Amino acid sequence: AQKVTQAQTEISVVEKEDVTLDCVYETRDTTYYLFWYKQPPSGELVFLIRRNSFDEQNEISGRYSWNFQKSTSSFNFTITASQVVDSAVYFCALISGTYKYIFGTGTRLKVLA
Amino acid sequence: SAVISQKPSRDICQRGTSLTIQCQVDSQVTMMFWYRQQPGQSLTLIATANQGSEATYESGFVIDKFPISRPNLTFSTLTVSNMSPEDSSIYLCSVSTGGYTEAFFGQGTRLTVV
Repeated sequence: AQKVTQAQTEISVVEKEDVTLDCVYETRDTTYYLFWYKQPPSGELVFLIRRNSFDEQNEISGRYSWNFQKSTSSFNFTITASQVVDSAVYFCALISGTYKYIFGTGTRLKVLA
Repeated sequence: SAVISQKPSRDICQRGTSLTIQCQVDSQVTMMFWYRQQPGQSLTLIATANQGSEATYESGFVIDKFPISRPNLTFSTLTVSNMSPEDSSIYLCSVSTGGYTEAFFGQGTRLTVV
């Protein structure tokens, strides 16, 4: 079975704080890809990152960083020095053998000024 | 990346009626999908829109309720038929080049059925 779990339903932080969004996945496939998407209040999902199962290197893009650990089946997302514009719902997703997205339930991030 | 235009952006409809949602992409794409996102929930795949043939529906979704057309590689429609309040959701069009590639999404259609 394939599954993506985002245990944090909602997180509130004060601007400039660091925040980590957790993502745990399940799949029996050896080849799979993990994704993070941002859904601002406007509604469209914005692609943030794609990571394949053979590349466990962490990635940093500006204030965003991702930690992929196969040993714990986790793909966590950290925002450093959060800003109000980071307020959104963030979805973690998985594609494996069926080539269909499996989305987590999302984490609503509120960054307070 | 692809730019997706989805119409209407929102609508309020009477129960028993039907609404057709349009999805226009600025480039030819291999894969087009329709998702439903119920309030505060995750995305659920309704179907894959296949160009020139019948859509492929996921478990729990049927063609009579959600007929889909895809006449070419840049356009698709989803109709929500015989609507009930339970159909109140955000409907999202998504495109990708297939396989393990990233998907791009329209802004969604916020449907309220009264």
